[in-house]
Amino acid sequence: DAGVIQSPRHEVTEMGQEVTLRCKPISGHNSLFWYRQTMMRGLELLIYFNNNVPIDDSGMPEDRFSAKMPNASFSTLKIQPSEPRDSAVYFCASSPRGQSQDTQYFGPGTRLTVL
Amino acid sequence: GNSVTQMEGPVTLSEEAFLTINCTYTATGYPSLFWYVQYPGEGLQLLLKATKADDKGSNKGFEATYRKETTSFHLEKGSVQVSDSAVYFCALTPFSSGSARQLTFGSGTQLTVLP
Repeated sequence: DAGVIQSPRHEVTEMGQEVTLRCKPISGHNSLFWYRQTMMRGLELLIYFNNNVPIDDSGMPEDRFSAKMPNASFSTLKIQPSEPRDSAVYFCASSPRGQSQDTQYFGPGTRLTVL
Repeated sequence: GNSVTQMEGPVTLSEEAFLTINCTYTATGYPSLFWYVQYPGEGLQLLLKATKADDKGSNKGFEATYRKETTSFHLEKGSVQVSDSAVYFCALTPFSSGSARQLTFGSGTQLTVLP
């Protein structure tokens, strides 16, 4: 079975540009999470969705960040405009319904560099 | 609020040495506890978990026991291999009868095993 798919794997952009990160969760999973990982701050939860509905976006750093989940198989995280301090690895994770709902399955991440 | 404290790294061991990575937590009620592992350039993978007091999670020779009296979930392995070199994260989700729950992560411990 395919795991969580993220694209692109690497993104290099210039300050002020719009960046869109994409995630396809595991089929049948109903929860999706976006994380950011940096050396300074470790792993931070940005936002999570349940049944395509945003449940908690308190981790989104500021209005430049937005996330959508238009259907059960796709989510985007957008940064507009991007800044050098947004450089990080961004992970998407999904979790299933039922007894294993507390286990999250992570994608390989998108390494974002903002120059 | 919920929090997870891990022993600081990095940890460097010789092959076949005994490994312990300490993890303590703060949470109300009865959280589920996890160890995730991150290999270089990859996303996090679930290593093991325990959902109630005195449960022992185990996988790939790693073990951790949920100790409510000491609020701890220490990771152990009797004989490490070079292939175990990775970053290890302790994490928890709060008790909830609802759907998706947020993971709270520790800061991670870098393990390097030398041949």
